[in-house]
Amino acid sequence: DGGITQSPKYLFRKEGQNVTLSCEQNLNHDAMYWYRQDPGQGLRLIYYSQIVNDFQKGDIAEGYSVSREKKESFPLTVTSAQKNPTAFYLCASSGAADTQYFGPGTRLTVL
Amino acid sequence: QKEVEQNSGPLSVPEGAIASLNCTYSDRGSQSFFWYRQYSGKSPELIMSIYSNGDKEDGRFTAQLNKASQYVSLLIRDSQPSDSATYLCAVKIGGFQKLVFGTGTRLLVSP
Repeated sequence: DGGITQSPKYLFRKEGQNVTLSCEQNLNHDAMYWYRQDPGQGLRLIYYSQIVNDFQKGDIAEGYSVSREKKESFPLTVTSAQKNPTAFYLCASSGAADTQYFGPGTRLTVL
Repeated sequence: QKEVEQNSGPLSVPEGAIASLNCTYSDRGSQSFFWYRQYSGKSPELIMSIYSNGDKEDGRFTAQLNKASQYVSLLIRDSQPSDSATYLCAVKIGGFQKLVFGTGTRLLVSP
């Protein structure tokens, strides 16, 4: 089955803690993306990567970090510098066409 | 002015009616447009993409694009209660495959 997987489905973070969200795709897509979704605000781009070992900041990158060491994987770390991390995090990927396909998401809650 | 604007709704229609969802965008150079459906608590799933002026039909869904007026719409014929969801409009802005999302329109289809 081709697709995008994200783990965990639910994640709880304590104050001052860094957490890492996993995103894996087996669609052979070059580009991958991380979005954050808050109620009533739509999707906002955190980071994106066009190719392995390269990534760019999106609109709300502060407090987040990423890596792209493999084509299939694009993990997102939510650092303690992100003051309001409670949100629904969505990973997406796209191939040669413009179309982005989404994973099932990770819901992060700060305790 | 927001880059991509949608009426947040809710848009309420009876079962069997036509639901009309609208989206306007600010970048006159945009070339690629997408409609996603998002059920509560789930990730967005692609319904349609449209690139040329005019209509594009796929089953009960029709996307309409008018670049001169900078709007894109989605018509859902024979609406079903299972169509009740939030519909996100996304527009490719800039040279890379970066999508800007509207905040979504919530559709409620009553039996």
